[in-house]
Amino acid sequence: KAGVTQTPRYLIKTRGQQVTLSCSPISGHRSVSWYQQTPGQGLQFLFEYFSETQRNKGNFPGRFSGRQFSNSRSEMNVSTLELGDSALYLCASSLMGGLTLGYGYTFGSGTRLTVV
Amino acid sequence: AQTVTQSQPEMSVQEAETVTLSCTYDTSESNYYLFWYKQPPSRQMILVIRQEAYKQQNATENRFSVNFQKAAKSFSLKISDSQLGDTAMYFCAFMGHTGANSKLTFGKGITLSVRP
Repeated sequence: KAGVTQTPRYLIKTRGQQVTLSCSPISGHRSVSWYQQTPGQGLQFLFEYFSETQRNKGNFPGRFSGRQFSNSRSEMNVSTLELGDSALYLCASSLMGGLTLGYGYTFGSGTRLTVV
Repeated sequence: AQTVTQSQPEMSVQEAETVTLSCTYDTSESNYYLFWYKQPPSRQMILVIRQEAYKQQNATENRFSVNFQKAAKSFSLKISDSQLGDTAMYFCAFMGHTGANSKLTFGKGITLSVRP
């Protein structure tokens, strides 16, 4: 079956702009999580959505937001981009999320965002 | 809050040999999950192995096995018969057992190079 699909793969934006990243989970998976990966901070949890509801949130400013649609696809939005937002953004899907870790989390290949 | 520490930034191993990657963590929870993820240059995070804290038996997946020492809060990964395709970054990760803890906390990662 198809894996986790993230689009676009690469993105270049200017400071002050906003950006929307997309994640299509594995068919049947209802939990979608987002992570930011940078060389300095490593992998940091942004938020998790389950059945269209945000279930968990990391320590990021309000400029970072997300949503999940009824088909479990998720989008992540960053407004008023800063240079420090340059990172690899990874999406992970799971059948139910933290409660059924027997299935684990499957990651996508990420979106590389560069802010100039 | 949970923390995950990978103190070795880089390691190198000869093809066909065995290598062990170290990871320690800190938590006040009694039940949780531990993971090793592999991130090759393709950027996709791939689940290597998973360990449930309440299971005393160490997890094994083909050439990959863990040494889980709950009292010492240590979770090392052993790769036997190393192959060139094992070259990647390896991340140790922690997840709590409750639904509210549906996020992965990652270590900084270790770059493993397998030499031909």
